[in-house]
Amino acid sequence: ETGVTQSPTHLIKTRGQQVTLRCSSQSGHNTVSWYQQALGQGPQFIFQYYREEENGRGNFPPRFSGLQFPNYSSELNVNALELDDSALYLCASSLEGLEVKTQYFGPGTRLLVL
Amino acid sequence: GESVGLHLPTLSVQEGDNSIINCAYSNSASDYFIWYKQESGKGPQFIIDIRSNMDKRQGQRVTVLLNKTVKHLSLQIAATQPGDSAVYFCAESRTGNQFYFGTGTSLTVIP
Repeated sequence: ETGVTQSPTHLIKTRGQQVTLRCSSQSGHNTVSWYQQALGQGPQFIFQYYREEENGRGNFPPRFSGLQFPNYSSELNVNALELDDSALYLCASSLEGLEVKTQYFGPGTRLLVL
Repeated sequence: GESVGLHLPTLSVQEGDNSIINCAYSNSASDYFIWYKQESGKGPQFIIDIRSNMDKRQGQRVTVLLNKTVKHLSLQIAATQPGDSAVYFCAESRTGNQFYFGTGTSLTVIP
């Protein structure tokens, strides 16, 4: 176990709705990254948060947004859900400031958009 | 676009044999690599990492080899066990905050 927790574990939404996913980082870690993993694929980087600000973003539209809180936990928000947003959403925590920034993953939230 | 690919999508090995999982990466600027193991219904689990200034790194039953000349990474698992059955991903990073993953190799260990 990495100590990274995510909630909820599973979620079903309909197209057009909005969703908020949550992540608590491993103790001592100050950085959270979010990934989307479609079935049968590797995780795709969405964005990263450090010191409550976005610190890098992948190729995802603006309807994917996030927050980081003072306790380093984070939220991923997705607006106007589309069917293709169905995926496993993973967060990973790391400690910024080290040369080697190993990322440790949580168990993920499985999102199904109908 | 980024390209981190795996040579074999599936691999079956006999219990007790050694496993080798390969990975090709396309960006010569990548300086940090991680191998992850993902079991069904779980998040990726860190196995071992290596920086670009190294050619080899060993862990418990695992070894990662990095060949920067041909941009190739491999994961060797010694004495493969049924618990090693999973999907294995290599991930590369250039900036340190964004990792690029391949599509994964599914390892099946035959008892």
